[in-house]
Amino acid sequence: EAQVTQNPRYLITVTGKKLTVTCSQNMNHEYMSWYRQDPGLGLRQIYYSMNVEVTDKGDVPEGYKVSRKEKRNFPLILESPSPNQTSLYFCASSRYRGSKDYGYTFGSGTRLTVV
Amino acid sequence: AQKVTQAQTEISVVEKEDVTLDCVYETRDTTYYLFWYKQPPSGELVFLIRRNSFDEQNEISGRYSWNFQKSTSSFNFTITASQVVDSAVYFCALSQGGSEKLVFGKGMKLTVNP
Repeated sequence: EAQVTQNPRYLITVTGKKLTVTCSQNMNHEYMSWYRQDPGLGLRQIYYSMNVEVTDKGDVPEGYKVSRKEKRNFPLILESPSPNQTSLYFCASSRYRGSKDYGYTFGSGTRLTVV
Repeated sequence: AQKVTQAQTEISVVEKEDVTLDCVYETRDTTYYLFWYKQPPSGELVFLIRRNSFDEQNEISGRYSWNFQKSTSSFNFTITASQVVDSAVYFCALSQGGSEKLVFGKGMKLTVNP
């Protein structure tokens, strides 16, 4: 089944404890992105990647890191999480712009709470 | 800068009513893509449709239809004969050329009552 898999689905952590949210897609998509969703602010892009070793900042990159060493994986790293990073996080992937399959498929989400 | 506005934040209808969700976008690019996503109460984001800026054809998929009008920068979504399962938050989004910054509207919560 074609899908984007995020882990974990739920995570409660403490301020300052480094964590990684994993994202993997099995559709051979070129593009991958991370978003956070917050009440009243909607969905905002954190980082995106247009291919292996190519990443760029979205609208709210502060406090996050990403890497794209393999095409299928795009982990989101919080080096020193803070309570304002409590949010619902989504990973997404897509074929390249211009392909007939262009359009983002989202993972099921990761609900992160930082205390 | 690109921007997506969903003026309605919440709508409540009775089953079988038709409902239209408005989406107005702003972009300076001539090449761009528009999307609609559905977020049911379970929380996942479900892709509904994609439109590129060169294709103004309206589209119908079952009870869903989309009206794209470049002249008014709108990409509206209509659900015909709504059902309880349509209850969800619906997002309109824009992607313009040169980057993959997908910009979302704030979303519109639709509640369909039996």
